[in-house]
Amino acid sequence: KQEVTQIPAALSVPEGENLVLNCSFTDSAIYNLQWFRQDPGKGLTSLLLIQSSQREQTSGRLNASLDKSSGRSTLYIAASQPGDSATYLCAVGDYKLSFGAGTTVTVRA
Amino acid sequence: GAGVSQSPSNKVTEKGKDVELRCDPISGHTALYWYRQRLGQGLEFLIYFQGNSAPDKSGLPSDRFSAERTGESVSTLTIQRTQQEDSAVYLCASSLEAGRQETQYFGPGTRLLVL
Repeated sequence: KQEVTQIPAALSVPEGENLVLNCSFTDSAIYNLQWFRQDPGKGLTSLLLIQSSQREQTSGRLNASLDKSSGRSTLYIAASQPGDSATYLCAVGDYKLSFGAGTTVTVRA
Repeated sequence: GAGVSQSPSNKVTEKGKDVELRCDPISGHTALYWYRQRLGQGLEFLIYFQGNSAPDKSGLPSDRFSAERTGESVSTLTIQRTQQEDSAVYLCASSLEAGRQETQYFGPGTRLLVL
């Protein structure tokens, strides 16, 4: 069974600082890895999808890397803003996603 | 365009009652997924549909849970004889296909509280 772990569970940073969120998974035979954002009382918003053949994906201030051999992914958010405050989830799988418990980020103005 | 919608947004029911949760996927998306998020826990996969068929029901926690999809569109998740441990946020997602490289787009969820 795929186990997904996210560290840290919570993170508080001042505005402008770069964010580094970590995700690890136990079974390296994954098809893709997705990063989502979850705001309180709302659903999940897809941020980035990294296919198993890729090493990284970028979208604006977001960059996600994938190292299948070590079972790790890292989400970098550059120049954080208060609007980045949310819970960030990583998920691996194909049609059936296995989720980590998330990292709750607070960006202080 | 419209995203995934779910109804009701909140549902409070008494133990032992049946509930139906509805999901409207993004138009044109052939794959539909149900997940559950219990308080303080991660999301758990329940079931997925490709078209109107459900090839994988492995995540349904008991035979009290069932789901159907009609017209390759709307899906209903039914929980019979609800128990307090069924309290959770039920999330629906859809994707173009149930492929391995497809992004899943999530709805806002239905918050179910069983008293």
